[in-house]
Amino acid sequence: DQQVKQNSPSLSVQEGRISILNCDYTNSMFDYFLWYKKYPAEGPTFLISISSIKDKNEDGRFTVFLNKSAKHLSLHIVPSQPGDSAVYFCAASAIGANSKLTFGKGITLSVRP
Amino acid sequence: DTAVSQTPKYLVTQMGNDKSIKCEQNLGHDTMYWYKQDSKKFLKIMFSYNNKELIINETVPNRFSPKSPDKAHLNLHINSLELGDSAVYFCASRKRFQETQYFGPGTRLLVL
Repeated sequence: DQQVKQNSPSLSVQEGRISILNCDYTNSMFDYFLWYKKYPAEGPTFLISISSIKDKNEDGRFTVFLNKSAKHLSLHIVPSQPGDSAVYFCAASAIGANSKLTFGKGITLSVRP
Repeated sequence: DTAVSQTPKYLVTQMGNDKSIKCEQNLGHDTMYWYKQDSKKFLKIMFSYNNKELIINETVPNRFSPKSPDKAHLNLHINSLELGDSAVYFCASRKRFQETQYFGPGTRLLVL
């Protein structure tokens, strides 16, 4: 039973345009959400996160939006750069001492020069 | 200055063998994890240790035995390896009460 879903397996965008990566979750206990970026043969790298008390968090070219009522979050990358080409994982946790991350399957982003 | 390191990076072995994977973090974190990324690319938690104490065990076969000699190290020993154990194993760590986890580079295990 997938509690975190990334329904689009891949996305291709032109350099300079906006990339929008979507993520849905089903567990209402989740209250913290993270995006990780992963290059081949490397470990996931933390990108940006958001707490459920916020609906937006921005860090440079990366913005994460959270819609709690829809149980949906999205990562916006603008402008997209070729170096952003990677697999992006959405993850969620229920805050606590024994928290664990539940990951989506990942989206492969390709940014065309 | 690697934050979370794993050894080995690649491991090829025969069915039935016993092998270990090691993880070390120099971030001063007190919680460490093992995740498995299978052929379908899902990253799933296996174990979590906090200050050398096991706090999460996600119904992993008991052929897998984690060991934490101190809070900077978390090792994974696998007995009687099976073909289905082939996967990438990632170690991660975080500071207690902070949600962000930091991952190692992964160990690619292939069981023949």
